[in-house]
Amino acid sequence: ETGVTQSPTHLIKTRGQQVTLRCSSQSGHNTVSWYQQALGQGPQFIFQYYREEENGRGNFPPRFSGLQFPNYSSELNVNALELDDSALYLCASSPGLAGGPETQYFGPGTRLLVL
Amino acid sequence: RKEVEQDPGPFNVPEGATVAFNCTYSNSASQSFFWYRQDCRKEPKLLMSVYSSGNEDGRFTAQLNRASQYISLLIRDSKLSDSATYLCVVQNSGYSTLTFGKGTMLLVSP
Repeated sequence: ETGVTQSPTHLIKTRGQQVTLRCSSQSGHNTVSWYQQALGQGPQFIFQYYREEENGRGNFPPRFSGLQFPNYSSELNVNALELDDSALYLCASSPGLAGGPETQYFGPGTRLLVL
Repeated sequence: RKEVEQDPGPFNVPEGATVAFNCTYSNSASQSFFWYRQDCRKEPKLLMSVYSSGNEDGRFTAQLNRASQYISLLIRDSKLSDSATYLCVVQNSGYSTLTFGKGTMLLVSP
């Protein structure tokens, strides 16, 4: 088991609502990346936070936003939810920007269903 | 064209069979390559890294062909516990973000 935790584990929302997902990174890790995994797809990179600053963003609209806190935990916020936002949301923490997967640990994910 | 492409399968094989998965990537500047395993409703986990010289870990062998921009994974003597989705992953130079393929589902039956 990694030290990365995510909450909540499951969530049901309706279209138009807003949601906040949380990720606690592994101790000693200052970088958090968020991914969206729709059913039958691989994880897609949303954005990455490094030392409280956004460090890169995938092809997601501005209604996907995030934060990283001084303790390096992170939040993903999604506004104006759409049905296609239904997915498993994964966060991964790593000890820096240039590390490989050997040092990048995924959390168990939050499963979001939008009705 | 997607950056990382895989045959989604499923691949149905009996126990003891040998099965191979291929994956192609479009960015010739990609530096690092990996295979992940994902069990149903779980997070992906690193299975192995892929090197140009090829690498082996027990029953698993990974190969990289930079000229053709493809990556392969060979599983020998399949076990029931190998049933999972196998994700091909590419990492570009200097960044920790990962680009995943859609995954290939493997079902090993008794």
